[in-house]
Amino acid sequence: QSVLTQPPSVSGAPGQRVTISCTGSSSNIGVGANYDVHWYQQLPGTAPKLLIYSNTNRPSGVPDRFSGSKSGASASLAITGLQAGDEADYYCQSYDSSLSHWVFGGGTKLTVL
Amino acid sequence: EVQLVESGGGLVQPGGSLRLSCAASGFTVSSNYLSWVRQAPGKGLEWVSFIYSDYSDGSTYYADSVKGRFTISRDKSRNTLYLQMSSLRAEDTAVYYCARVITSRPNYFDPWGQGTLVTVSS
Repeated sequence: QSVLTQPPSVSGAPGQRVTISCTGSSSNIGVGANYDVHWYQQLPGTAPKLLIYSNTNRPSGVPDRFSGSKSGASASLAITGLQAGDEADYYCQSYDSSLSHWVFGGGTKLTVL
Repeated sequence: EVQLVESGGGLVQPGGSLRLSCAASGFTVSSNYLSWVRQAPGKGLEWVSFIYSDYSDGSTYYADSVKGRFTISRDKSRNTLYLQMSSLRAEDTAVYYCARVITSRPNYFDPWGQGTLVTVSS
């Protein structure tokens, strides 16, 4: 069981907007430890790729359709203008001070209808 | 271009050993933080091991699930990261990814290699 909780799946039609949540606690992303959240996209059969770092920042080459936010013990990844190529698993990542290691959310499978 | 290429995966019996390699290009392994992350079939990502750069004393860290059985190391001359795995169990079956670690709060992983599959089975 992950200390960062994500919904197992989300879906949306092409062109729509979807959000993926990542909920933690005071020992990781919440008030207290207050670590940042990073997001990864894993397309089918491929390695994870960094999508958002430090809550809101996009690496070079990531479209601005992808955005991140964080408030309290929750973070969100938003994807606008959904495309078929966005179908993938999405993972949030942070650090847990109680476990003393890096942690990932359980992952969310995005389906484009 | 920064790139990581893993190798060394395969089928191994329970209790056996295996060494994974991760060849780096576009940067030097000795001056960077590096990690191994694994993904069991159909499951999520699990951090496995971390090594500091030589400039930061080269300390190593492990997930409790592999502590005492896995060893992370690097060879500066080959610019390669390794993961020596011993006393392997069925639950170690996974795709193993190496990744460069970017310093932040917390650190994050970028880029990742393509992964190498380790199957522990009799």
